[in-house]
Amino acid sequence: SAVISQKPSRDICQRGTSLTIQCQVDSQVTMMFWYRQQPGQSLTLIATANQGSEATYESGFVIDKFPISRPNLTFSTLTVSNMSPEDSSIYLCSVEISTGGTEAFFGQGTRLTVV
Amino acid sequence: GENVEQHPSTLSVQEGDSAVIKCTYSDSASNYFPWYKQELGKRPQLIIDIRSNVGEKKDQRIAVTLNKTAKHFSLHITETQPEDSAVYFCAASSGTASKLTFGTGTRLQVTL
Repeated sequence: SAVISQKPSRDICQRGTSLTIQCQVDSQVTMMFWYRQQPGQSLTLIATANQGSEATYESGFVIDKFPISRPNLTFSTLTVSNMSPEDSSIYLCSVEISTGGTEAFFGQGTRLTVV
Repeated sequence: GENVEQHPSTLSVQEGDSAVIKCTYSDSASNYFPWYKQELGKRPQLIIDIRSNVGEKKDQRIAVTLNKTAKHFSLHITETQPEDSAVYFCAASSGTASKLTFGTGTRLQVTL
């Protein structure tokens, strides 16, 4: 398995500000993924972060709103920019680990409330 | 892109009964189908997965079946216990196991 640590675990932010979420993995991984889970909803993939290249964003998500960094093979950050109440969600990072087959492991999530 | 539908949205069963959750997917290129359990305030945890070269997989009280022709897959939980109460998500992927399209979730409640 993998140990994935996210910081902060929760935050309450003022609208118009930005928050950077950190994701640290205890082993080197090629790709890291960022998901959003709106209150009571399912998970939606925001982007895929590869080390050494720009992140690949899914439809409906743009780099200006959700800039991502991937400085090395164990760490990534997601910034939620110019926040509005609609950005209130849980943000989760995920990595793929080989365990015989391969499976996705999730961080514990960052619960963001924008007021 | 991929679209995954999941039913039912809520399911209440008595302890010891079986629970079945069904999902359909749209992309015939999808080849990996995991199921996640998410308890309140916790991260999603993989409980079982199946790949497109297999029709059924079982792990103790949990089983998953896949019908590629019909593009649907199902989760079966037998002898349900109160600790099975959670939200269950199906998902599909055509590439990496982490690049997932999730279903809308099923809230399972196991009553005594």
